[in-house]
Amino acid sequence: EAQVTQNPRYLITVTGKKLTVTCSQNMNHEYMSWYRQDPGLGLRQIYYSMNVEVTDKGDVPEGYKVSRKEKRNFPLILESPSPNQTSLYFCASSLTSRNEQFFGPGTRLTVL
Amino acid sequence: GQNIDQPTEMTATEGAIVQINCTYQTSGFNGLFWYQQHAGEAPTFLSYNVLDGLEEKGRFSSFLSRSKGYSYLLLKELQMKDSASYLCAVKGSNYQLIWGAGTKLIIKP
Repeated sequence: EAQVTQNPRYLITVTGKKLTVTCSQNMNHEYMSWYRQDPGLGLRQIYYSMNVEVTDKGDVPEGYKVSRKEKRNFPLILESPSPNQTSLYFCASSLTSRNEQFFGPGTRLTVL
Repeated sequence: GQNIDQPTEMTATEGAIVQINCTYQTSGFNGLFWYQQHAGEAPTFLSYNVLDGLEEKGRFSSFLSRSKGYSYLLLKELQMKDSASYLCAVKGSNYQLIWGAGTKLIIKP
């Protein structure tokens, strides 16, 4: 089944404890992206990747890192999480940047 | 700046028709997308417009006017399962999506 998977789906952590949210797609898509979604603000892009080893900042990259060493994986890293990073996170992928995006199921992160 | 506006919430009756509007101001335009998002779930793709006019797909249609910076999503024969948020997103000049905050659609029996 063609899909985007994210892990974990739910995570409660404490300020300053490094964490990684994994994202993987099995559709051979070139383009991948991370978003956060907060009430009333809509989806905001954190980072995106046009292809392997190519990543760029989105609208809200502060406090996040990403890597794209393989086509299928695009992990999101929070080196020192803070409470303002409590949010619902979505990974998405598309064939290219010009095509519709397919979303993972979301990761609900709470930073205490 | 770049901006996408859509109503925060709309209410409609089962079996009726509803139109959700979206206006945008972006630097460059490379297409407009509509997504559906049920509460607590991921957005799913509904439609894509890049040229002016109406695109019909079953009970859902989407319209675009590039000169007016305007789009709408038309939902016919509303069903209870259509209760969801509807997100409008525009691809700007760098092909990144700019998202509206979404319209929460409430369907009443």
